[in-house]
Amino acid sequence: QQPVQSPQAVILREGEDAVINCSSSKALYSVHWYRQKHGEAPVFLMILLKGGEQKGHEKISASFNEKKQQSSLYLTASQLSYSGTYFCGTEISNNAGNMLTFGGGTRLMVKP
Amino acid sequence: DAGVIQSPRHEVTEMGQEVTLRCKPISGHNSLFWYRQTMMRGLELLIYFNNNVPIDDSGMPEDRFSAKMPNASFSTLKIQPSEPRDSAVYFCASSPGLAGGRGETQYFGPGTRLLVL
Repeated sequence: QQPVQSPQAVILREGEDAVINCSSSKALYSVHWYRQKHGEAPVFLMILLKGGEQKGHEKISASFNEKKQQSSLYLTASQLSYSGTYFCGTEISNNAGNMLTFGGGTRLMVKP
Repeated sequence: DAGVIQSPRHEVTEMGQEVTLRCKPISGHNSLFWYRQTMMRGLELLIYFNNNVPIDDSGMPEDRFSAKMPNASFSTLKIQPSEPRDSAVYFCASSPGLAGGRGETQYFGPGTRLLVL
């Protein structure tokens, strides 16, 4: 079953912060975050494994609450280059291999 | 290092024709995934190979779709006959596929934009 992402879309001014949420109805082994720009392939941002850890990459970080089966992506002091569609991909705990089910995406637009 | 390579990048065909999409995974990667992306259905996993063996093809929409991986460096996705509703962007992705592949990053190719008229 597809994870649910919220919000579906968000518009920011440069320098503002945003949070994108991803929620699953199934127990998760990992959550993967990707960003896709129009006409391009999804680009890997980060992966979070079960254990409730939080990861960061420059001004983009994420958390994973295993018990709630939820992950959040935090974009701090957004830049124009952050614009794109963000997808979470979830890996279910009881599956073999690393098959991912992707959420519907969150469209982020950063304006000057 | 070369990433995942897909060909063709664009394909326009007429309904009823056979379409073959090709993918070369990152060298040394043992897992390969085919995805389809549309506005309506988002990013869907079609089939997953590990060590050239199809592990899960439950996402393949119907018998018109078939996928093969004859060796570790090449995979094809074939649609025969094609229909307008098959129009989409088809992505291939690969991951190292070690120790069952759990928790591994998947690297996407540039995709093939397919338009069936």
